[in-house]
Amino acid sequence: QQPVQSPQAVILREGEDAVINCSSSKALYSVHWYRQKHGEAPVFLMILLKGGEQKGHEKISASFNEKKQQSSLYLTASQLSYSGTYFCGTGLIAGGTSYGKLTFGQGTILTVHP
Amino acid sequence: EPEVTQTPSHQVTQMGQEVILRCVPISNHLYFYWYRQILGQKVEFLVSFYNNEISEKSEIFDDQFSVERPDGSNFTLKIRSTKLEDSAMYFCASTDHLGVDEQFFGPGTRLTVL
Repeated sequence: QQPVQSPQAVILREGEDAVINCSSSKALYSVHWYRQKHGEAPVFLMILLKGGEQKGHEKISASFNEKKQQSSLYLTASQLSYSGTYFCGTGLIAGGTSYGKLTFGQGTILTVHP
Repeated sequence: EPEVTQTPSHQVTQMGQEVILRCVPISNHLYFYWYRQILGQKVEFLVSFYNNEISEKSEIFDDQFSVERPDGSNFTLKIRSTKLEDSAMYFCASTDHLGVDEQFFGPGTRLTVL
């Protein structure tokens, strides 16, 4: 089942902050965040595995809620290089019925202007 | 730094023709994936491959698709009789730790079916 991302698009000025959300109706095993620039492959940002986990550094970080049904990506003091499409990829059960397949959200287009 | 490579970067073919997309995953990885991305849309899972066999496939991955790991390093996706709607970017990915680690994406092959 596809996770739902919000918002669909964000426009920022350099230095502004943004939050991108990724929600699922089912508890997830993992959330993977990727950024994709136009015409390029997705680039891995981070993975979250545990309910209540927070990860990342000062500028780009993410959280995974206790129920493991929502993750948020936080972009702080945005830079021009942050522009791109952000995807969350969600994993269900490792082993068993799933071999690491990621189901991606529809993406959030982030545009940072000078 | 190890990386996933894909060839060709761009393939143009006529409808009904067979195409083979090639990938060289990172050498010590065990789990391999193909994803596709139609222009402007999200990344979609096609198939996962482990221990020389398909471990999971999506509804998109019908009888016209097949995958192989012919020689222990290459990982190929064959489309037997291409359709216009197969036009997309195809990404190969690999990982060494199922579900808990980054999936490394290759740069992609842009397939154009005329």
